[in-house]
Amino acid sequence: DTEVTQTPKHLVMGMTNKKSLKCEQHMGHRAMYWYKQKAKKPPELMFVYSYEKLSINESVPSRFSPECPNSSLLNLHLHALQPEDSALYLCASSLFTGELFFGEGSRLTVL
Amino acid sequence: GQQVMQIPQYQHVQEGEDFTTYCNSSTTLSNIQWYKQRPGGHPVFLIQLVKSGEVKKQKRLTFQFGEAKKNSSLHITATQTTDVGTYFCAGRGNAGGTSYGKLTFGQGTILTVHP
Repeated sequence: DTEVTQTPKHLVMGMTNKKSLKCEQHMGHRAMYWYKQKAKKPPELMFVYSYEKLSINESVPSRFSPECPNSSLLNLHLHALQPEDSALYLCASSLFTGELFFGEGSRLTVL
Repeated sequence: GQQVMQIPQYQHVQEGEDFTTYCNSSTTLSNIQWYKQRPGGHPVFLIQLVKSGEVKKQKRLTFQFGEAKKNSSLHITATQTTDVGTYFCAGRGNAGGTSYGKLTFGQGTILTVHP
């Protein structure tokens, strides 16, 4: 069982839709991450939040908009996505520079 | 920018054979972590190495961190079918300011084990 909870597990959206991915952890971790993973590829860092402030944005297109409402929650707002954005989106949290705890991921399909 | 190279990309072994995957970073790392991802699953943390020359063991798994803190290896002795999955190394660069150092994943090694 993972201590990082992601919803939804699966999402299908059209290119004009607006949707959000949600992530929650209650381990007291102050670093939270969004990763994108394509099949047979490593997780690719998108955003890092440190103490609820965006600290790293890996030049992600603006159609992906992260939000960290509080220390336990992390959202990823999606708008006007492209089919090539279809992937597994992984949320993770960590205590300082320690191990990442990954959620099970949200598998996104853009039609 | 920081790059972490991992080889081999694929490894097919017979059950009982040994397996090794190697990582090399373009820059000195503050630490290196190893993760395992089962097919259809999410990455799960295995271990973190911090000290130059560090060696850690977990049952049949042996992890090493190079003296220069730029390379690492994972060795599995006598593989079992439960070892199947993708093994990723992830190197963390040095933190700057109030940010944590960026964690960069290697390409991963996909391990298949034939019974």
